[in-house]
Amino acid sequence: DTGVSQDPRHKITKRGQNVTFRCDPISEHNRLYWYRQTLGQGPEFLTYFQNEAQLEKSRLLSDRFSAERPKGSFSTLEIQRTEQGDSAMYLCASSPWDTQYFGPGTRLTVL
Amino acid sequence: AQTVTQSQPEMSVQEAETVTLSCTYDTSESDYYLFWYKQPPSRQMILVIRQEAYKQQNATENRFSVNFQKAAKSFSLKISDSQLGDAAMYFCAQETGANSKLTFGKGITLSVRP
Repeated sequence: DTGVSQDPRHKITKRGQNVTFRCDPISEHNRLYWYRQTLGQGPEFLTYFQNEAQLEKSRLLSDRFSAERPKGSFSTLEIQRTEQGDSAMYLCASSPWDTQYFGPGTRLTVL
Repeated sequence: AQTVTQSQPEMSVQEAETVTLSCTYDTSESDYYLFWYKQPPSRQMILVIRQEAYKQQNATENRFSVNFQKAAKSFSLKISDSQLGDAAMYFCAQETGANSKLTFGKGITLSVRP
């Protein structure tokens, strides 16, 4: 299967811990997006990569959040010093140009 | 800022019947894409249909079609011959900005009665 994959699917952590999520986009998709979705809401944009360059970051992305996409392939999203308000589904999407295809998401629960 | 509004939080339809989900958006751009995504209880977001704003013809994908009214900034989704598997949350989204990020509505929960 050549869809977008994300790992882990679920993550439970204690407040103050660091967590890292991985996204593997569809092969040859040069565009990669991260979104955050809280229960009962639509996804909200966090950040965008074109190849390895991070070209846009949302105001939602505080200093505790960092994302990378080395070599323009997979991407990682790290949250440092997690807070309970970080509990959400983190979605990754990739795109060849104008249509985004989503992964299954990583459900983060901060206790 | 771009906004996408889905004013109906929930809808229900009888199996085999037709249902229309509403969406309005606000943009100052002249060329953009609009999308409907489906998110079943398993939570993976699946593309249902997309519409390019410069095309006057409404997009159709099998049982799914849209009614795109550019002047009114309206983009509704019609599901014909509803099936049990159509039960899900449906999100309307607009591509915005030079980097084509998506702005989503709050979604609508569709239930299908057997």
